[in-house]
Amino acid sequence: SQTIHQWPATLVQPVGSPLSLECTVEGTSNPNLYWYRQAAGRGLQLLFYSVGIGQISSEVPQNLSASRPQDRQFILSSKKLLLSDSGFYLCAWGRGLANYGYTFGSGTRLTVV
Amino acid sequence: QQQVKQSPQSLIVQKGGISIINCAYENTAFDYFPWYQQFPGKGPALLIAIRPDVSEKKEGRFTISFNKSAKQFSLHIMDSQPGDSATYFCAASPTWNTGNQFYFGTGTSLTVIP
Repeated sequence: SQTIHQWPATLVQPVGSPLSLECTVEGTSNPNLYWYRQAAGRGLQLLFYSVGIGQISSEVPQNLSASRPQDRQFILSSKKLLLSDSGFYLCAWGRGLANYGYTFGSGTRLTVV
Repeated sequence: QQQVKQSPQSLIVQKGGISIINCAYENTAFDYFPWYQQFPGKGPALLIAIRPDVSEKKEGRFTISFNKSAKQFSLHIMDSQPGDSATYFCAASPTWNTGNQFYFGTGTSLTVIP
């Protein structure tokens, strides 16, 4: 069966510090991978998605970047965090053309102070 | 631009009552409509989904009603229980999208009162 791992679960970082969130998927190959952000009491905002190694599509201009160094690894990064980067970050994976829905990770609560 | 519009933003229902959450879309290319359930501090989990070739899908106490001509779909939770208290998201996706992107509604916070 497929599983998705996301860490860390909670992170408190000072303004201006770097960020690296990692997501890995097991039990499948060539998944589509996604990073979402969920502000408190808000909906899901798609940040990045990837359909293959090294292929990153950005949905919104921002202080963040994403990379996919391996087939089942997706990393969300920032060189200098802003207060507005605080939120709940979710990684998800999905299949290709066939729509089976996403499977989300357990999320990372990021607080920038 | 919000591709999928969801209402209400919050909902309070008595135990045993029916919870109804509505969503509407404009893009006729959408042909897969899932609902996700999210508990506090957790990632959303797929609850139930429907394709436009059927007007209704039922799984236990959860039912999706789909109106293709009106471009609307709704989630009905029958006999609502306190354990159903969560945030619910509707979503939509076009099959032809190789990125398999889903467009999410803004979420409904459901509280079921004992």
